[in-house]
Amino acid sequence: SQELEQSPQSLIVQEGKNLTINCTSSKTLYGLYWYKQKYGEGLIFLMMLQKGGEEKSHEKITAKLDEKKQQSSLHITASQPSHAGIYLCGADIGAGGTSYGKLTFGQGTILTVHP
Amino acid sequence: EAGVAQSPRYKIIEKRQSVAFWCNPISGHATLYWYQQILGQGPKLLIQFQNNGVVDDSQLPKDRFSAERLKGVDSTLKIQPAKLEDSAVYLCASSLDQGGGGYTFGSGTRLTVV
Repeated sequence: SQELEQSPQSLIVQEGKNLTINCTSSKTLYGLYWYKQKYGEGLIFLMMLQKGGEEKSHEKITAKLDEKKQQSSLHITASQPSHAGIYLCGADIGAGGTSYGKLTFGQGTILTVHP
Repeated sequence: EAGVAQSPRYKIIEKRQSVAFWCNPISGHATLYWYQQILGQGPKLLIQFQNNGVVDDSQLPKDRFSAERLKGVDSTLKIQPAKLEDSAVYLCASSLDQGGGGYTFGSGTRLTVV
């Protein structure tokens, strides 16, 4: 099984609708990174969360890390066609109080926004 | 500051040929990572360097893949011989010190093996 589970795998929404993507780990997250990607291209950094309960927003995108630091959500308000793409969560996972010092990724969520 | 530089941007080769990718990390970043992303999946770590030493290469198919970071700065990832299933985006990333300060990714190299 994956160390990091991302859901849903794909999402189709009408422009203007809100949506949420989830990222869950069975281990403690020392850092949780959200990226956006266009098909076949590099990763665009969105946000990074480290503290339990932390929430960050940028324009219409909000990301949260739960208190236990094992789950994060990415919420888009009033989606637009420009939000379409692949969303990836990457986690700095560790054990015994120490980070592994590398990112482990979820499977990605393909977002389609219909005008 | 300049970002992580990767080249080439795209590459198409025939199976059984060899190919090399180059990565120049952010200046001063000790840790360098190579990821393979098969389209439709999340990136998978192939190898992690700390300066010029290998920290983790457990998922690198060593019969055909090799990587080096001789002077602890730029790095090369090679595939020889390539197989159809190696078609993927190869991403290079760097961090100040094993994740400290975050991770910066390059634009990737999209490899197609025909």
